[in-house]
Amino acid sequence: QVQLVESGGGLVKPGGSLRLSCAASGFTFSDYYMSWIRQAPGKGLEWVSYISGTDDIIYYADSVKGRFTISRDNAKNSLYLQMNSLRAEDTAIYYCATLPDYYFNYWGQGTLVTVSS
Amino acid sequence: QSALTQPASVSGSPGQSITISCTGTSSDVGSYNLVSWYQQHPGKAPKVMIYKVSKRPSGVSNRFSGSKSGNTASLTISGLQAEDEADYYCCSYADKRTYVFGTGTKVTVL
Repeated sequence: QVQLVESGGGLVKPGGSLRLSCAASGFTFSDYYMSWIRQAPGKGLEWVSYISGTDDIIYYADSVKGRFTISRDNAKNSLYLQMNSLRAEDTAIYYCATLPDYYFNYWGQGTLVTVSS
Repeated sequence: QSALTQPASVSGSPGQSITISCTGTSSDVGSYNLVSWYQQHPGKAPKVMIYKVSKRPSGVSNRFSGSKSGNTASLTISGLQAEDEADYYCCSYADKRTYVFGTGTKVTVL
């Protein structure tokens, strides 16, 4: 069965950096676009970024462009999100999800990132 | 990349039908038949209920249906059940190859 497990969240100071990971299993990882989606506490969902299976197609939301970098390692069945210059408004649960056909199919349980001094 | 507009809350009695609207623009909902809907229970990850406007993933009840007219998409839940009480979000593919989510709707079963 498909499983996505995020890790790497935690407390970080404004201006700091954090790298999130998403370990995938139960499907052919390299065949799928993957995405990060976040949800601030008590708020709605916000799409963050996606990457193609061969990592030649990458897009970001304007709110994170230039600060976040999505990447993947198909040999390790892993998706990553490098987050730099973090701001208080980046505080959220970060979910990774498969993106098979213009919709987010399988989701992980999320990892909480808190940006606070 | 402004969020799609959904009503904050919708309620109905068991067995009734409810409809949640999702209003976007000609840069997202109006231009692409790529609207999806997600159900999220408290403390849980979202679950896809509808994709490509009206398609249901396997395993999703046929009580859930989707449609679109112009810049507005809709999710209808028929035969409302207690387990349908959750937050619902629409999402659309948009210009510049991005995605935009809706503001979210809390569904209450009375």
